[in-house]
Amino acid sequence: NAGVTQTPKFQVLKTGQSMTLQCAQDMNHEYMSWYRQDPGMGLRLIHYSVGAGITDQGEVPNGYNVSRSTTEDFPLRLLSAAPSQTSVYFCASSDSLRGNTIYFGEGSWLTVV
Amino acid sequence: GENVEQHPSTLSVQEGDSAVIKCTYSDSASNYFPWYKQELGKRPQLIIDIRSNVGEKKDQRIAVTLNKTAKHFSLHITETQPEDSAVYFCAASYYGGSQGNLIFGKGTKLSVKP
Repeated sequence: NAGVTQTPKFQVLKTGQSMTLQCAQDMNHEYMSWYRQDPGMGLRLIHYSVGAGITDQGEVPNGYNVSRSTTEDFPLRLLSAAPSQTSVYFCASSDSLRGNTIYFGEGSWLTVV
Repeated sequence: GENVEQHPSTLSVQEGDSAVIKCTYSDSASNYFPWYKQELGKRPQLIIDIRSNVGEKKDQRIAVTLNKTAKHFSLHITETQPEDSAVYFCAASYYGGSQGNLIFGKGTKLSVKP
């Protein structure tokens, strides 16, 4: 049982490039989400999903796309990377949306130059 | 939408003293309030949570209190130890259009001096 697995752990991108951050969970959780963490800003919700085939926007969705084709996987796509997207990204999952423990992945450090 | 304010942003205490971190939330519909601890370079980890039908919850040296009328909740750490040094985040579930997603405060950096 690996929990929530994110890849890559570190990535450097050039402005304008696209990439996908991978997230997988093996706990059969319905709920998955992506947060970004910036110094002094806490964790801000980018996108979330309440089940396969269902996604929705969070607080800061611009510049990111998501899809949920399976219960296990929830990739985050950066369409055209910008320096403002330099951040630490955390994927998270929970077995329900209302008040159950949210488990975070180890994080992905992204730098856009 | 929901907004969570967290204070103080930094807190320094001597080993053995108590530490208190306070959060306020704006949406009276919120009913789940977890606290996360994040060590440098690591993921946030849940340390304690409280639901709106409970006023206080304890787990060894950690306790959380909730005042629904005032819309604030607090984390109390007693007998602090150097390993308590970390960034602590409060959060609230927001039951608006986002259907219960956690909204986080901006964090408190706790330093425990030996």
